[in-house]
Amino acid sequence: GAVVSQHPSRVICKSGTSVKIECRSLDFQATTMFWYRQFPKKSLMLMATSNEGSKATYEQGVEKDKFLINHASLTLSTLTVTSAHPEDSSFYICSASQGIETQYFGPGTRLLVL
Amino acid sequence: RKEVEQDPGPFNVPEGATVAFNCTYSNSASQSFFWYRQDCRKEPKLLMSVYSSGNEDGRFTAQLNRASQYISLLIRDSKLSDSATYLCVVIQSNTGNQFYFGTGTSLTVIP
Repeated sequence: GAVVSQHPSRVICKSGTSVKIECRSLDFQATTMFWYRQFPKKSLMLMATSNEGSKATYEQGVEKDKFLINHASLTLSTLTVTSAHPEDSSFYICSASQGIETQYFGPGTRLLVL
Repeated sequence: RKEVEQDPGPFNVPEGATVAFNCTYSNSASQSFFWYRQDCRKEPKLLMSVYSSGNEDGRFTAQLNRASQYISLLIRDSKLSDSATYLCVVIQSNTGNQFYFGTGTSLTVIP
């Protein structure tokens, strides 16, 4: 099946710093990439939908100035958590899609903000 | 009201048992349904799609009831390796490719 990678897999940072997470589709071109966040014992919550070359569409309640998404190519999307705070600590998962009803998930990035 | 609702469990069952999970969805325009499996600290992985006619894959059987707006997953002869969280996923016809996830049902199979 299609492979999606994320980097880094785990990051610990100080409060107030910015963290960039990369999501790459390794063996296919992804027309759309999605960013999710998952808190412990909770389900995945969609943060934003990203199409290559255009602005991301953010879900209600997600601050676009805090969670910057760049989808510069058909194989790479980045999520930058700006001025991270402890409440931003979570498991961030991206997925990549080639078409309707398919999403291939990355392995996730565990963020801990101290 | 949540788009997709699941009983979070946890379900603790002995090896060899049969266990069933249900999931309800609120939007009648929902068009596609899936069960995903998520292991602890890992990403979700597709377990199976759910078709109107029901479908079976080995020990796993998925069924869809459009009239009552629920889907189910049946696991027969549970194995220790089945221990995971099972996520119900629904795609609505009017939202493109957006996945709506349930909160997941936790299953632990006990030796």
